[in-house]
Amino acid sequence: ILNVEQSPQSLHVQEGDSTNFTCSFPSSNFYALHWYRWETAKSPEALFVMTLNGDEKKKGRISATLNTKEGYSYLYIKGSQPEDSATYLCAFNTDKLIFGTGTRLQVFP
Amino acid sequence: DVKVTQSSRYLVKRTGEKVFLECVQDMDHENMFWYRQDPGLGLRLIYFSYDVKMKEKGDIPEGYSVSREKKERFSLILESASTNQTSMYLCASSLGTSGIMYFGPGTRLLVL
Repeated sequence: ILNVEQSPQSLHVQEGDSTNFTCSFPSSNFYALHWYRWETAKSPEALFVMTLNGDEKKKGRISATLNTKEGYSYLYIKGSQPEDSATYLCAFNTDKLIFGTGTRLQVFP
Repeated sequence: DVKVTQSSRYLVKRTGEKVFLECVQDMDHENMFWYRQDPGLGLRLIYFSYDVKMKEKGDIPEGYSVSREKKERFSLILESASTNQTSMYLCASSLGTSGIMYFGPGTRLLVL
C-alpha cells in the first residue's frame, strides 16, 4: 500500500511568521506531486504540480520544493497571514492520486 | 471559470435508504472521481471514471456504485445507506490522469 505522510498534522502560528510543512511519499514509480489548499467551506484548490527532481515552484508568498530521490516535498509560507489559514494537502501521483492527511494551518492575527 | 458542482451541500438520510450524489463538471474533462474525507484520514478514493460508461474501483468501493452516462456527469450511489457512510463526499475532475484536480464544494452526508 502506497503511503503519503504529512507533518505536522496541525500548526498554529502568529501573523508574520514564516512556516513550512513536509510531505513524504514513496520514491519509486514517481510521476508527479501535487499541493492543494483547502479552506473551510470551500473546495480544495491546486497550488502546485511538480514533476522534476529539484523542482521549485512559487506563487506569491508560497513556495514548494521537490526531492524525488528521497521522496519528500516542502511547502513554505513566508510571512503568514490569517487568510493562509487552511488545510494543505499533498498528493502523490502514480496511476492515480494518493492524498496525505493534510496539515491544518491556523494563523492568528 | 472552471466549475465542478455537486447536487447538495448537506444531506440527511436514514439507514437503508438509497442515496444519489450527483456531480457535474463543465470543463469537458475525461476523468472524474469520488472521494470521501473523514477526520484523521486523507481523501480516500471511492470510484473513478476515465470515460463515459467506464468506471474503476478506488480504494474503498464497498457499499457504493457509480454511473457515468454523460461525460459531464458522475453519480455516486449508496445502495443502502449505513451509519458508517456518514462523511464528507468530494467529487473532482481532471484532464489526463496526472492533471490538476478540480474539486466540487463537497456534500456532507449524515446517515441516521
